[in-house]
Amino acid sequence: QVTLKESGPGILQPSQTLSLTCSFSGFSLSTSGICVSWIRQPSGKGLEWLATICWEDSKGYNPSLKNRLTISKDTSNNQAFLKITSVDTADTAIYYCARRGLWALWFAYWGQGTLVTVSS
Amino acid sequence: DIQMTQSPASLSASLGETVTIECRASEDIYNGLAWYQQKPGKSPQLLIYNANSLHTGVPSRFSGSGSGTQYSLKINSLQSEDVASYFCQQYYDYPYTFGAGTKLELK
Repeated sequence: QVTLKESGPGILQPSQTLSLTCSFSGFSLSTSGICVSWIRQPSGKGLEWLATICWEDSKGYNPSLKNRLTISKDTSNNQAFLKITSVDTADTAIYYCARRGLWALWFAYWGQGTLVTVSS
Repeated sequence: DIQMTQSPASLSASLGETVTIECRASEDIYNGLAWYQQKPGKSPQLLIYNANSLHTGVPSRFSGSGSGTQYSLKINSLQSEDVASYFCQQYYDYPYTFGAGTKLELK
């Protein structure tokens, strides 16, 4: 059974760096064809894809966030991570990690999400 | 970036009705489209992939169709548990982009 769970700081101040962890079970990020992504959703609004990391360590980023994003993984501990630098109030959102289907491009499995609030 | 224009933004329908939600891409996405259902306070759940393939476990009253730049999600015989927001997403090209969503309510 595939499960994913996000964790984060809850609240942080503008200009700080946001660090998020996705802990998962039921699959390995060393298995060919597996990729994990981060997606966020401001309250009451739509979804925004942020970044993806795959089994062979390839990475993709949303250029709208320019150079603020870094995605990484710890295969041994079944975790994926996302860092967002220089946060501001516009980064307040629920952050989801999601796994694509095997050798697929759509998001077949989602975590429950973690709320991040940026406030001074 | 490929822009996804979803309509309508909100929809009110009666139990047993058939509803259709549309999604238009700013360029041809060659059926690289998924539909997700999101209930209040929950994470999105995959309904349809490759524009018209039903995800495992999804009721057959949901169906997807379309090609090129125009796609649609149809829900036959609306049930109370279908009250949710629905999002389309293109995965033909990076960055993946989503429609703004359709909020479906019961009349």
